[in-house]
Amino acid sequence: DVKVTQSSRYLVKRTGEKVFLECVQDMDHENMFWYRQDPGLGLRLIYFSYDVKMKEKGDIPEGYSVSREKKERFSLILESASTNQTSMYLCASSGGGGSYEQYFGPGTRLTVT
Amino acid sequence: DQQVKQNSPSLSVQEGRISILNCDYTNSMFDYFLWYKKYPAEGPTFLISISSIKDKNEDGRFTVFLNKSAKHLSLHIVPSQPGDSAVYFCAARTIYGQNFVFGPGTRLSVLP
Repeated sequence: DVKVTQSSRYLVKRTGEKVFLECVQDMDHENMFWYRQDPGLGLRLIYFSYDVKMKEKGDIPEGYSVSREKKERFSLILESASTNQTSMYLCASSGGGGSYEQYFGPGTRLTVT
Repeated sequence: DQQVKQNSPSLSVQEGRISILNCDYTNSMFDYFLWYKKYPAEGPTFLISISSIKDKNEDGRFTVFLNKSAKHLSLHIVPSQPGDSAVYFCAARTIYGQNFVFGPGTRLSVLP
């Protein structure tokens, strides 16, 4: 059974803190993605990675960075959290070779106070 | 500027009736489309897809229709069940793109 897990379901952080969100997939997928979901805006792509140590900016990368040291793990880093980064963060993975379906984790609800 | 639009934020349907969720897009280079369903406190799950070489794809109670000239696709659920109550996202990908662009979602409520 396909599985994408995220390190936390709920997280509360203070403004200025460094925040790490971890995502692990067990499907040996090449591609991994980080999205944020906000009401009325749908899912917006922050960063994605199509291979280990590779990363590409998505639509809204400002204020975020990522790390992919191993194929199964993709981390999202908020260098200095701000209140406008309060959101639901979703990680996803997909295989290569024309397989387009993305499998999502359960999400992390991050609140920055 | 949203490339994928779902103009109805919410939709209510009676159990057993048809649910029709609509999606419009602006980029003529989109060639592959997905629908995802999302329950509260869960990640989105894949529902059904359609390639631009087709105009219809069916999977059980779910059918997606694509009208390329109108840049419009719709998801039909027949018959609707209370368990279908969720937020539905439309997503689109360009021919050479690696990523999907998601719409804002439509919340479907199926009333018993």
